[in-house]
Amino acid sequence: KAGVTQTPRYLIKTRGQQVTLSCSPISGHRSVSWYQQTPGQGLQFLFEYFSETQRNKGNFPGRFSGRQFSNSRSEMNVSTLELGDSALYLCASSLRGESTEAFFGQGTRLTVV
Amino acid sequence: TQLLEQSPQFLSIQEGENLTVYCNSSSVFSSLQWYRQEPGEGPVLLVTVVTGGEVKKLKRLTFQFGDARKDSSLHITAAQPGDTGLYLCAGPDRGSTLGRLYFGRGTQLTVWP
Repeated sequence: KAGVTQTPRYLIKTRGQQVTLSCSPISGHRSVSWYQQTPGQGLQFLFEYFSETQRNKGNFPGRFSGRQFSNSRSEMNVSTLELGDSALYLCASSLRGESTEAFFGQGTRLTVV
Repeated sequence: TQLLEQSPQFLSIQEGENLTVYCNSSSVFSSLQWYRQEPGEGPVLLVTVVTGGEVKKLKRLTFQFGDARKDSSLHITAAQPGDTGLYLCAGPDRGSTLGRLYFGRGTQLTVWP
């Protein structure tokens, strides 16, 4: 059974641009959560989607947004990129949204220059 | 302020030594999870502890959940270089098992041959 797939693995963007990251959950999983990981803050929760609905949102500015499609695939978008947005963005999927059974993808390493 | 505090932040030991890392909180959690993350990869779930006082063993790794469900420890016996990685503890939103996880900042373990 394939794991969680995140694309692209690496991305370099310029300040002010926008970026879209993609996450394909494990087949059959209906919940997708997104996290930002930086050396200074560790893993910080961005948002969670379940059956195409945003169910939970972390304390990030409105420049960070996401969505989930009917096939459970999810995308997150960051607009007007800032240097501080440089991070590893991780996606986790679970069958029913239970946090005790979350499986993470390899992440997308975003560098903003 | 981190909801989950992990200590030590860094640990560098020789192969064959034993070690313990700690995860503490002032809040009660319905469960706590331990993950290991290697460079450039997403966290991989090692174990979930649910019951206060619970002890779980995974080969040379022993996980304990505090009686009050506010803390947890991970003990590694006879560490090996393959144990090198970032060890993270995480717990779900208070009163909920769904979606959002709070993470500690992690313990970076290096085991030298």
